[in-house]
Amino acid sequence: EVQLVESGGGLVQPGGSLRLSCAASGFTLSNHWMSWVRQAPGKGLERVATIKEDGSEKYYVDSVKGRSTISRDNAKNSLYLQMDSLRAEDTAVYYCARVRLRSVAGILDYWGQGTLVTVSS
Amino acid sequence: AIQLTQSPSSLSTSVGDRVTITCRASQGTDSALAWYQQKPGKPPKLLIFDASSLEGGVPYRFSGSGSGTDFTLTISSLQPEDFATYYCHQRGTFGQGTRLEIK
Repeated sequence: EVQLVESGGGLVQPGGSLRLSCAASGFTLSNHWMSWVRQAPGKGLERVATIKEDGSEKYYVDSVKGRSTISRDNAKNSLYLQMDSLRAEDTAVYYCARVRLRSVAGILDYWGQGTLVTVSS
Repeated sequence: AIQLTQSPSSLSTSVGDRVTITCRASQGTDSALAWYQQKPGKPPKLLIFDASSLEGGVPYRFSGSGSGTDFTLTISSLQPEDFATYYCHQRGTFGQGTRLEIK
């Protein structure tokens, strides 16, 4: 059974940092692109970052470029999102999602339950 | 970057109704569009991929169609568990969502 379990969320002050983790199981992580998607309270979905199977390509939404870094450790079956210089507008539930194999459209076929990041003083 | 615009943003509807949600892309694309269902407090669930392919385990009352710039998600006969928010998605861009509410 495919499982994605996020951790690392919490309350952080503006300007602070957090590192989100996603533990993957039930499939071979190294075969899949992976994404982080966020959802601000009461709002829609926004893709934050995506990383290629081997980590050689990374994509970010403009609002987090230069402040966030997506990475992965396939040997540890883990995906990460390092977020720095956090702002109030980064407050959201952050989901880890798997990109379907060979999907040129980036279909997200499995999602974790999400971890809440709250940026507030 | 491509933009996806869904309509309507919300819809009051009843059990048994036929519902159609539209997703319009800002530029012509192939059929690489997906639809997701999200219930409160839960992650999105993939319903349709490649515009019209039903994800495994998804009821047949859900169907998708379209190509180019215009795509639709249809629910043939709305069930109580279908009241949720629906999102279209393509290459990292999501529509703003369509919320189905009970009339």
